[in-house]
Amino acid sequence: AQSVTQLGSHVSVSEGALVLLRCNYSSSVPPYLFWYVQYPNQGLQLLLKYTTGATLVKGINGFEAEFKKSETSFHLTKPSAHMSDAAEYFCAVSAGNGNQFYFGTGTSLTVIP
Amino acid sequence: GAVVSQHPSWVICKSGTSVKIECRSLDFQATTMFWYRQFPKQSLMLMATSNEGSKATYEQGVEKDKFLINHASLTLSTLTVTSAHPEDSSFYICSAREPGANEKLFFGSGTQLSVL
Repeated sequence: AQSVTQLGSHVSVSEGALVLLRCNYSSSVPPYLFWYVQYPNQGLQLLLKYTTGATLVKGINGFEAEFKKSETSFHLTKPSAHMSDAAEYFCAVSAGNGNQFYFGTGTSLTVIP
Repeated sequence: GAVVSQHPSWVICKSGTSVKIECRSLDFQATTMFWYRQFPKQSLMLMATSNEGSKATYEQGVEKDKFLINHASLTLSTLTVTSAHPEDSSFYICSAREPGANEKLFFGSGTQLSVL
């Protein structure tokens, strides 16, 4: 079985500051890991995903995440926050076949001018 | 935490038949539920927003008559794929918004539909 925990339902950062959104997972099989972003009044958009291979994954809009098996984590980072990054971010895990997604409860990111 | 239950998790059907997928919010009342579809190696695509007691709002390009959505109660929304064809084979996932100050979004675990 798989599950995801996102620590911090709300995160606020200043414009230009580091963004760090935490995600920890549990999985009985090698996981596929995803980060999605949802802007107001829009559907989910895939930021990045880890399937196999390199553990540091780069996504769109300057975001990246690192798969750390020993820590069962897949934290999302961005070196410098922009106002346009304000949105809700969801971490998700699947068992590897693309089915049965398990989502975290989401982290709402606020960027302060 | 809040739980959204989606059934079935896997369904195989013959071409031309209809398939119903259920999405239930187990411990909260969801006035709004969302239905997504995912094609292989692509992002989740929002299909429609389902509002309790009213007609669903469909995204552009989604056939209303093909994908019937019924949100008859505050805890249940259903998606019926009518006269399914192989191109409807996909992964469908629902989500429900928990009312209140935080309005968190919770997801079902998805339904893999295979149309033969």
